[in-house]
Amino acid sequence: EAAVTQSPRSKVAVTGGKVTLSCHQTNNHDYMYWYRQDTGHGLRLIHYSYVADSTEKGDIPDGYKASRPSQENFSLILELASLSQTAVYFCASSGDRGANSDYTFGSGTRLLVI
Amino acid sequence: AQSVTQPDARVTVSEGASLQLRCKYSYSATPYLFWYVQYPRQGLQLLLKYYSGDPVVQGVNGFEAEFSKSNSSFHLRKASVHWSDSAVYFCAVAQTGFASALTFGSGTKVIVLP
Repeated sequence: EAAVTQSPRSKVAVTGGKVTLSCHQTNNHDYMYWYRQDTGHGLRLIHYSYVADSTEKGDIPDGYKASRPSQENFSLILELASLSQTAVYFCASSGDRGANSDYTFGSGTRLLVI
Repeated sequence: AQSVTQPDARVTVSEGASLQLRCKYSYSATPYLFWYVQYPRQGLQLLLKYYSGDPVVQGVNGFEAEFSKSNSSFHLRKASVHWSDSAVYFCAVAQTGFASALTFGSGTKVIVLP
């Protein structure tokens, strides 16, 4: 079954430390996305990628980097974690653009920065 | 830029009653619209989507939504809710210029009372 798998499921990080969130998809999708969700809010786009070895900035990229080493894998990197980055992070993948898009979301990573 | 507004942060209904969740979007071109549901500590699951054609779209678990171009709305409905429908519901529109990334509303939390 096609899926998007995120790891870890949850993480506690220290302020100023480096955090890497991983995402793996088996959907054979070209597009992958990282969103963050804050309590009581919708999802906001951080970074996305439409091909391996290339990433693009989303709406709120500051403080985050992304890496797409292969079609299946997409990582989100917090080089210097801050308290404000405490949130739930979702990875998603999709196929063609627009009308044929079919999005699949991972179960999320809960990040607590202390 | 695209935006999605869900004016109701929380809706409480009795089991068996009807439900309507409101969604207004701002988008310059023909929108691609989605409704997702999020159960506690889970990822997002697609309820239904609209690209074109019949403005009333049927989804899973008895949900349907109606697109109105004149009102820039995409309201979600269910004729008779079950306690298991308690969740957070998100309306989303597909962006342009950001691959096919989604812009989400802030969500509506639905509480179904027994």
